[in-house]
Amino acid sequence: KAGVTQTPRYLIKTRGQQVTLSCSPISGHRSVSWYQQTPGQGLQFLFEYFSETQRNKGNFPGRFSGRQFSNSRSEMNVSTLELGDSALYLCASSLEGGVLDNEQFFGPGTRLTVL
Amino acid sequence: GIQVEQSPPDLILQEGANSTLRCNFSDSVNNLQWFHQNPWGQLINLFYIPSGTKQNGRLSATTVATERYSLLYISSSQTTDSGVYFCAVTIFTGFQKLVFGTGTRLLVSP
Repeated sequence: KAGVTQTPRYLIKTRGQQVTLSCSPISGHRSVSWYQQTPGQGLQFLFEYFSETQRNKGNFPGRFSGRQFSNSRSEMNVSTLELGDSALYLCASSLEGGVLDNEQFFGPGTRLTVL
Repeated sequence: GIQVEQSPPDLILQEGANSTLRCNFSDSVNNLQWFHQNPWGQLINLFYIPSGTKQNGRLSATTVATERYSLLYISSSQTTDSGVYFCAVTIFTGFQKLVFGTGTRLLVSP
């Protein structure tokens, strides 16, 4: 079974631009979560999608948004990029996203650099 | 919110040595996972261990949920064990969310 895939793996943007990252979960997984990892803040939760609905969002500004498609693939968008958005963005998928089964599997990440 | 603390923050070992990494959490959790993050950033699942003890080769983990801690044991360490080890707890408040610990950076020297 293929793992979680993320594209692109590396991205360089300039301040003010916007960016879209993509995540394809493990086949059969319906929950996709996004995380940001920076040296200063560590790993932080961005949001989770389940059945095309955002169920909750972490403490990030509205410039960070996402969506999920009917095949469970998810995209994350960051508008008006700032230098501080430079980070490794990780997505994780799990089977149902509920209490009973919440082992999460991570993709390789997208490393975003904002110049 | 819940706090997840890991110790030690940094660890240097000689190849062949054993080590114990600790994860303390401040509130009840639904589940706990251990991950190894490789130099390329990939988080690799090591254990999914809400309670009890599990073993996988040279690695084993124990979670004592009632006392709010988990331990990761690495025996006969190898240079490929180097990297950052994270524990992450699952909390559920209408949705599931992983809260990561602060990490332990391990360097195994030959």
